[in-house]
Amino acid sequence: GQNIDQPTEMTATEGAIVQINCTYQTSGFNGLFWYQQHAGEAPTFLSYNVLDGLEEKGRFSSFLSRSKGYSYLLLKELQMKDSASYLCAVTDSNYQLIWGAGTKLIIKP
Amino acid sequence: DGGITQSPKYLFRKEGQNVTLSCEQNLNHDAMYWYRQDPGQGLRLIYYSQIVNDFQKGDIAEGYSVSREKKESFPLTVTSAQKNPTAFYLCASSMSREVWNEQFFGPGTRLTVL
Repeated sequence: GQNIDQPTEMTATEGAIVQINCTYQTSGFNGLFWYQQHAGEAPTFLSYNVLDGLEEKGRFSSFLSRSKGYSYLLLKELQMKDSASYLCAVTDSNYQLIWGAGTKLIIKP
Repeated sequence: DGGITQSPKYLFRKEGQNVTLSCEQNLNHDAMYWYRQDPGQGLRLIYYSQIVNDFQKGDIAEGYSVSREKKESFPLTVTSAQKNPTAFYLCASSMSREVWNEQFFGPGTRLTVL
């Protein structure tokens, strides 16, 4: 079966760095997305990785290793507004997005 | 401003009733999607459409129906056949269903069956 694993919840301190991991087992791979979702709101796009390596975008970076079926989202200089759920999603061989359950990130002052 | 709108934001329904959730986009996107989100679970695809007058079942299409008569609109009907309809419903669109196209989401409709 197809499976995406993320930690359910993480806690970090304002100003610190946090890494949210995502491992996947899917039938084929055509790219991995990270989305941010504040409680009760719509998910918003953060990043897309299709090749191995690190993609940096401001305070957020995303890493992919296709051979390991692994990705992480790195958030630097954490702000209170970063408190949200972070969703990992993989496009499989049928071009369908398979979603993880999301990681709820709690930022403490 | 371009975007996706969903209405209503909150919806209450009695058991046995059908209800239709609205989704409209003015992004000129070809592809549109309906997802269901339940606590502790990932988004699950209900239906998707790549072009007007065509749509495909997703993973959990039973008890739901859709139409795509216009490019801008992709309404979802939750029928009385859906056993557990209480959930948060998200509509999304993308330029096409190509793998690199990010999906843009509407604000969602929270449906509660009483």
